Amino acid sequence: DGGITQSPKYLFRKEGQNVTLSCEQNLNHDAMYWYRQDPGQGLRLIYYSQIVNDFQKGDIAEGYSVSREKKESFPLTVTSAQKNPTAFYLCASSIASRQGHGYTFGSGTRLTVV
Amino acid sequence: GDSVTQMEGPVTLSEEAFLTINCTYTATGYPSLFWYVQYPGEGLQLLLKATKADDKGSNKGFEATYRKETTSFHLEKGSVQVSDSAVYFCALGDNTNAGKSTFGDGTTLTVKP
Repeated sequence: DGGITQSPKYLFRKEGQNVTLSCEQNLNHDAMYWYRQDPGQGLRLIYYSQIVNDFQKGDIAEGYSVSREKKESFPLTVTSAQKNPTAFYLCASSIASRQGHGYTFGSGTRLTVV
Repeated sequence: GDSVTQMEGPVTLSEEAFLTINCTYTATGYPSLFWYVQYPGEGLQLLLKATKADDKGSNKGFEATYRKETTSFHLEKGSVQVSDSAVYFCALGDNTNAGKSTFGDGTTLTVKP
């Protein structure tokens, strides 16, 4: 079955450490997105990519980095510059040229600073 | 810029009660509108959608109508079940910036037996 796989489901980061969250999709979607969700809050866009080798900053890109070397993959690195990284991270994909289809989401990665 | 405003929660209902969760939006152009549902510890799932004015989206007993004159997309269900307990997000897709959606803050629904 087609879908989006995020890994790991839980991740613990020490102070000053960079960590990378994986996002892989086999839906043949062009666009991919990373969102951050804090308890009781909505989704905030970190980065998005509409085509391979191209990506744009979202509303809260500081302290994060991404790459899009393959259509299927859009990993997110949480750097040590991100001062408050504890949150639930969601990856999504869509058929970029068709807004009416909406997003397909992964099951999320919960990142905790220890 | 685009924005979505949802009814504040939490909402608590008894089983078989009628549900309405209000959603209004601000956007340029003619966005597509969506409702997503999130169960505890999981990602969001697309519940229903509408792509033009007066369209009605429906799924699993939920429905919402795209009202351009009131810029609204309220979610309704005639008889809720305990299994409907979740967080519901209203969202709009910007047709002038292909691929980006704007989400509301979510409304938590708890249904008690």
